[in-house]
Amino acid sequence: EIVLTQSPVTLSVSPGERATFSCRASQSVGNFLAWYQQRPGQAPRLLIHGVSTRAAGIPARFSGSGSGTAFTLTISSLQSEDFAVYYCQFGSAFGGGSKLELK
Amino acid sequence: QLQLQESGPGLMRPSETLSLTCAVSGDSISSSSYFWAWVRQPPGKGLEWIGNIDYSGFTYYNPSLESRVTISVDTSRNQFSLKLSSVTAADTSVYYCARSVDTPIERYFDYWGQGAQVTVSS
Repeated sequence: EIVLTQSPVTLSVSPGERATFSCRASQSVGNFLAWYQQRPGQAPRLLIHGVSTRAAGIPARFSGSGSGTAFTLTISSLQSEDFAVYYCQFGSAFGGGSKLELK
Repeated sequence: QLQLQESGPGLMRPSETLSLTCAVSGDSISSSSYFWAWVRQPPGKGLEWIGNIDYSGFTYYNPSLESRVTISVDTSRNQFSLKLSSVTAADTSVYYCARSVDTPIERYFDYWGQGAQVTVSS
């Protein structure tokens, strides 16, 4: 069973700055990691699949990278609507989430 | 635009069987390209995959829930359903239905319903 560990648990950043999240897998997941955004009171929204492919309608400020067991989600210039919780996922496993809060 | 909508009772008693339905619009559930999934989220916690089903009724479940879960599909109504037996307070969650891109090497969830709150309380 693959376990996904996300860090940090909480990240405080100001609008316009860059935010970076990490997701580490307990064993290799190849190039098949996905990322989701969940705003308060809303359903998760697919941001990225296949490590770096943005889903339809996702702005270019969201980017993903990595391979094997170490992955990164970067938001290049934070907008107010980006403050949310972010989850990584592979197969049946989800990471515990990273909360992005306003500094 | 694909839309998914969960429906079902919001409050249940322990030991009852939870039953939720997800109505799909904007696409045929009979598409062989996709699976259809249930995912839940306990209050203040992360996401937990429950199981997937395809148009033919082929299913696979989270091993931790498999003994209590049944997912079924009704292509004539373009909907699929979740049953979870012998519920306890630990099953209190928001239950989401989702469309799953599901291949032998990759799975992700590209469309989600708004979620249905289910509370188990005596």
